[in-house]
Amino acid sequence: DTEVTQTPKHLVMGMTNKKSLKCEQHMGHRAMYWYKQKAKKPPELMFVYSYEKLSINESVPSRFSPECPNSSLLNLHLHALQPEDSALYLCASSQGGQGRALHFGNGTRLTVT
Amino acid sequence: GENVEQHPSTLSVQEGDSAVIKCTYSDSASNYFPWYKQELGKGPQLIIDIRSNVGEKKDQRIAVTLNKTAKHFSLHITETQPEDSAVYFCAAKDFGNEKLTFGTGTRLTIIP
Repeated sequence: DTEVTQTPKHLVMGMTNKKSLKCEQHMGHRAMYWYKQKAKKPPELMFVYSYEKLSINESVPSRFSPECPNSSLLNLHLHALQPEDSALYLCASSQGGQGRALHFGNGTRLTVT
Repeated sequence: GENVEQHPSTLSVQEGDSAVIKCTYSDSASNYFPWYKQELGKGPQLIIDIRSNVGEKKDQRIAVTLNKTAKHFSLHITETQPEDSAVYFCAAKDFGNEKLTFGTGTRLTIIP
């Protein structure tokens, strides 16, 4: 079992829907990440939060909106998505700093219809 | 930015034999190199990592070697078992950067 918990495991949404993905960690990690993974591809970085502040946005379209309510929680708000946004969305956390490992959740499998 | 190449893309190995996966990176500032294993329906799981001040690290059947001069690092799995079948990703980053760059992945299949 992973120490990073993501909900829901699966999500199907229409292009006009608004939904949110949730991520929680209780390891005291100070950095949290959203990655997107398409089939048979490596994870691609979307956002990084460090000490609850957004530190990296990899030029992600505004239909994806991240939020970090506190050091243990990370949300990804979705609105007006396109079918090509269908993917596995992975959350990760890290102590940050020198050479600290990323710990991934098992992801949310998103399908946009 | 950093670019990580990984080979081979697929690898089939007889159970009990060894498997080797190789990666090269482009940014000489990179100094942290983790390896992840991803099983079907799960997120990537860290299996071993190495920092630039070390040339080799071993953990039971898994070892990683790093050649900073040539900018390449490798994963070695000995005495392979069916449960080693998965997709393996190498990655690289430098300490001052939160972005971890992944290789393209290797699908490892262990043949019983």
